[in-house]
Amino acid sequence: QKEVEQNSGPLSVPEGAIASLNCTYSDRVSQSFFWYRQYSGKSPELIMSIYSNGDKEDGRFTAQLNKASQYVSLLIRDSQPSDSATYLCAADTGRRALTFGSGTRLQVQP
Amino acid sequence: GAVVSQHPSRVICKSGTSVKIECRSLDFQATTMFWYRQFPKQSLMLMATSNEGSKATYEQGVEKDKFLINHASLTLSTLTVTSAHPEDSSFYICSARDSPSRGTNTEAFFGQGTRLTVV
Repeated sequence: QKEVEQNSGPLSVPEGAIASLNCTYSDRVSQSFFWYRQYSGKSPELIMSIYSNGDKEDGRFTAQLNKASQYVSLLIRDSQPSDSATYLCAADTGRRALTFGSGTRLQVQP
Repeated sequence: GAVVSQHPSRVICKSGTSVKIECRSLDFQATTMFWYRQFPKQSLMLMATSNEGSKATYEQGVEKDKFLINHASLTLSTLTVTSAHPEDSSFYICSARDSPSRGTNTEAFFGQGTRLTVV
C-alpha cells in the first residue's frame, strides 16, 4: 500500500464548477499535509498547507483534513482553464522529505 | 515564500559524459536538500537526501556512484550524473525545507527543475 494515494484522473470539470481532489494516507504519524500544483514540464508549486482537522480556505482553494479517516482533500471553486494541471498531495511522515502521492490530473473545460 | 534556485534548466549531453546540476537556497539555510527525478506522466521519485557536511542518503535502487551528491554549504547542493546514458534522461528537481528548529510544519520549496536529455 502506498503511503499517500491519489486517483490519477484525469478529473474533468467545466469552467466555473467546483473541482474536488482527494487524497488518503496510511501513516497515522503524519501531522502536516500539503497540496502542490504542477504544470506540465514545470516543478511543483505550493498551493495549500493544512495541519489541523477541518477546513482551511485561501481564495478559491479550500483544503480539508480528517485525521480520523486519514483523508485530505482540495476543493477549487470557480475552476478556470488555467487550473488545469496535476495536483500532488504530500504528507510529512516524520522523514525530512515529504511523501508525495502520484498526483491527480485536472482538466478544466472552457 | 522561500526561493530555491536550480541550474541549468535544460541540458543536452552526449552519452558517457557527466552533468552537474546545482541547487541553491537563496533566502534560508538548508541543512537538508532533496533530489527527485520525474519521468513523463509519472510522479516525483525521491532519489536522495542531501545533508550539509555529511554523506547523502540514497533511496533504494538509486546508484550512489552514478548520482554523486555534494552539499558543501548550507545553501548549495549539487547532483552530478556520471557517465550519463539515454535512460538517465529525465526531469530532475531539487527541494529544500527550512530548518527543523524553525518548526516541523514547514513546506518544501522546489527548484525550477532540470530537463536532462542524453543523446
